[in-house]
Amino acid sequence: EPEVTQTPSHQVTQMGQEVILRCVPISNHLYFYWYRQILGQKVEFLVSFYNNEISEKSEIFDDQFSVERPDGSNFTLKIRSTKLEDSAMYFCASSESQRDSGELFFGEGSRLTVL
Amino acid sequence: AQKITQTQPGMFVQEKEAVTLDCTYDTSDPSYGLFWYKQPSSGEMIFLIYQGSYDQQNATEGRYSLNFQKARKSANLVISASQLGDSAMYFCAMRGRQGAQKLVFGQGTRLTINP
Repeated sequence: EPEVTQTPSHQVTQMGQEVILRCVPISNHLYFYWYRQILGQKVEFLVSFYNNEISEKSEIFDDQFSVERPDGSNFTLKIRSTKLEDSAMYFCASSESQRDSGELFFGEGSRLTVL
Repeated sequence: AQKITQTQPGMFVQEKEAVTLDCTYDTSDPSYGLFWYKQPSSGEMIFLIYQGSYDQQNATEGRYSLNFQKARKSANLVISASQLGDSAMYFCAMRGRQGAQKLVFGQGTRLTINP
């Protein structure tokens, strides 16, 4: 069964360092998303991506964040200079369609710990 | 704007009993989808069930059913014959037609099944 894969599963970094989280969405999907979940809290939308550009982003997704689809298969989230409050689980998701009935398929998450 | 509210932070249920997890929503979209996801302690997000706003019948998937009451804007998840493996966080989510059709999540309900 096709699935969304994310690497790394866990990353520990020092405050101020750059981090890149990687995702391989399901191959025929066109819509890609990053979500964040701070420990014990709700899942928050960060950004959506379609046709090689950002289609929507939340207020969390400030200038420290960027996304890229460099090679047609990977979808990356970069945090330029990490802060303590960036510690969270980051989920990548993809969807085949934009229809409101379209399920989002989630990866297993990348846990980021900023020290 | 879309909003999902889950008012039960935690639920405790005896094994084999049925349990209802509450979810209410608010949206101005005429067409929308409602989803439930399960998040076990391992962290991944597992899709459980989907209900479309124009569906005449309540959705069912095995032991999961969705009690959809459109006029009340509620989409409660019912788990029949609960099992120990059902212990997890459960998130209600909505996807509309506005924006990039991102999923908006509720705060979640932590379900604990007691033997």
